[in-house]
Amino acid sequence: GQQLNQSPQSMFIQEGEDVSMNCTSSSIFNTWLWYKQDPGEGPVLLIALYKAGELTSNGRLTAQFGITRKDSFLNISASIPSDVGIYFCAGHDIIQGAQKLVFGQGTRLTINP
Amino acid sequence: SQTIHQWPATLVQPVGSPLSLECTVEGTSNPNLYWYRQAAGRGLQLLFYSVGIGQISSEVPQNLSASRPQDRQFILSSKKLLLSDSGFYLCAWSAQGTGRGYTFGSGTRLTVV
Repeated sequence: GQQLNQSPQSMFIQEGEDVSMNCTSSSIFNTWLWYKQDPGEGPVLLIALYKAGELTSNGRLTAQFGITRKDSFLNISASIPSDVGIYFCAGHDIIQGAQKLVFGQGTRLTINP
Repeated sequence: SQTIHQWPATLVQPVGSPLSLECTVEGTSNPNLYWYRQAAGRGLQLLFYSVGIGQISSEVPQNLSASRPQDRQFILSSKKLLLSDSGFYLCAWSAQGTGRGYTFGSGTRLTVV
């Protein structure tokens, strides 16, 4: 089945550093999404990518949809304490008439004070 | 605007007891609805999805069941809980046919003791 490989699994950085994480797939997806999950909360959509090669920014976040539609990266510039959490990539597909998201395993971001 | 409500936020239940988690969506009609489980703060496993009233698809065999008695109501149930049912349960919705991403509820932390 479809799988997304997300890396790194964990990151420990200093406040103010830039962060980069990526996601690859063996399958093509028409849409890539990046979510952030705070402890004890549901994931919240950060950025959605709809076109191959698309580069989209949302404040300090930048994400790109790979040309092959099989990969994506997320960058966070000048990290701050509230960036702590788990970041998930997700690929969108339509299976048996239902929209489904295939999720990566997440990148846990920890920021050292 | 659309909102998704999920309750309860936390639940502690003894082994062998029944379970009922409820999710409702407001501000939209005929949504796709989903139940996910997240173990140990990592990885989102799709349990059930529904494209309409009474239409339930199961992704993995398990001790749980789902029902959709109304268009915007999705219920996750069990007749007898197992210890392995403990986890963080998330409901989500997406708009039919738009290819746009999910919106998640705030989750239910279930602990089976």
